[in-house]
Amino acid sequence: DQQVKQNSPSLSVQEGRISILNCDYTNSMFDYFLWYKKYPAEGPTFLISISSIKDKNEDGRFTVFLNKSAKHLSLHIVPSQPGDSAVYFCAANPLEYGNKLVFGAGTILRVKS
Amino acid sequence: EPEVTQTPSHQVTQMGQEVILRCVPISNHLYFYWYRQILGQKVEFLVSFYNNEISEKSEIFDDQFSVERPDGSNFTLKIRSTKLEDSAMYFCASSDSGGANVLTFGAGSRLTVL
Repeated sequence: DQQVKQNSPSLSVQEGRISILNCDYTNSMFDYFLWYKKYPAEGPTFLISISSIKDKNEDGRFTVFLNKSAKHLSLHIVPSQPGDSAVYFCAANPLEYGNKLVFGAGTILRVKS
Repeated sequence: EPEVTQTPSHQVTQMGQEVILRCVPISNHLYFYWYRQILGQKVEFLVSFYNNEISEKSEIFDDQFSVERPDGSNFTLKIRSTKLEDSAMYFCASSDSGGANVLTFGAGSRLTVL
């Protein structure tokens, strides 16, 4: 089941630069998307979300872009900080099924100082 | 900040034994969930629970699994007869609505079945 794909297992970025994490989905019924961050030995922590009626949502250093026609979303972190080093999960929610989130496999982000 | 708490943080059990994983959701949340992550694999939905009944479950959530809200604060996941493949990190989550909403996850309970 590859409904939500994060094709990059890891990403390494220099402190202060932009981190771009990508996510693709196949199910056109998805209409709400979330990014979660996860540190070792902790649960996923909500970062930012976007509804399918928007193409961009911004919260401080974090911006999520949604391209519905391409079924693609991306998370931009700028400037990246060492504390951003974590696993980032893209998740999608088909609204008609409530909060039955479908997660991607995650991307490990390492921000080097 | 309100949080979801889970116990135990790690449980080791023998195959065939029953296991109960406990969760205390955020107090004003009404929707509760269990997800799991097998090592090296994706986080997967197991079950959602609202108004004292299961609202949605995945194909993983077979007859060996059950959920319960025994009192006003706890939400439990029971695995009746554990199998080796049940070894995973189990995450409890809660939300204050059932629609497009943010789930708050607990830190997880690691289950190891020997």
